[in-house]
Amino acid sequence: DSGVTQTPKHLITATGQRVTLRCSPRSGDLSVYWYQQSLDQGLQFLIQYYNGEERAKGNILERFSAQQFPDLHSELNLSSLELGDSALYFCATSPGDYNEQFFGPGTRLTVL
Amino acid sequence: GQQLNQSPQSMFIQEGEDVSMNCTSSSIFNTWLWYKQDPGEGPVLLIALYKAGELTSNGRLTAQFGITRKDSFLNISASIPSDVGIYFCAGRYSGAGSYQLTFGKGTKLSVIP
Repeated sequence: DSGVTQTPKHLITATGQRVTLRCSPRSGDLSVYWYQQSLDQGLQFLIQYYNGEERAKGNILERFSAQQFPDLHSELNLSSLELGDSALYFCATSPGDYNEQFFGPGTRLTVL
Repeated sequence: GQQLNQSPQSMFIQEGEDVSMNCTSSSIFNTWLWYKQDPGEGPVLLIALYKAGELTSNGRLTAQFGITRKDSFLNISASIPSDVGIYFCAGRYSGAGSYQLTFGKGTKLSVIP
């Protein structure tokens, strides 16, 4: 158990809908990273937050957004969902920018 | 962006055999991490490397940070069935302001009892 929690574990929704994924970091971790993993694909970095501020953006679509709250938990919002958005979404957290990242168990999103 | 080539893509080995896999990058990295992912689970950190030439062990796993800083290797000795999974390397580019990890596409390991 990495100490990082993600909810929900599974999410099934329809095209065009909007969903919110939640991540709670390990105690003391200020950085949260979001990744997308499609079938048989590696981990694609989406976005990083550090202590409430956006730190870096990767291959994140404009339909996707994230935020980090004062209690340091983070939410990833996915809107106007398409079939191709079906994937595993992971958050990872670390104390700062240059530390090891510890991953949560992921949210499996299925868009029908 | 930085590219990581991880090989082999997949391997089938007999239980008890040793395993080697590696990652190479087109850029100099200052951090190499190795993760293992079981199906439907999040990646679990196995080993972290921070210095060129560093050799670090974690049980039957040994990883090395290449001298050129453009590669890293992971060895698993005396494989067992629970070693099955996907192994990912991840590196952090040493350029200014680069915090993110770049991940390889993974090596899928199957162990035949």
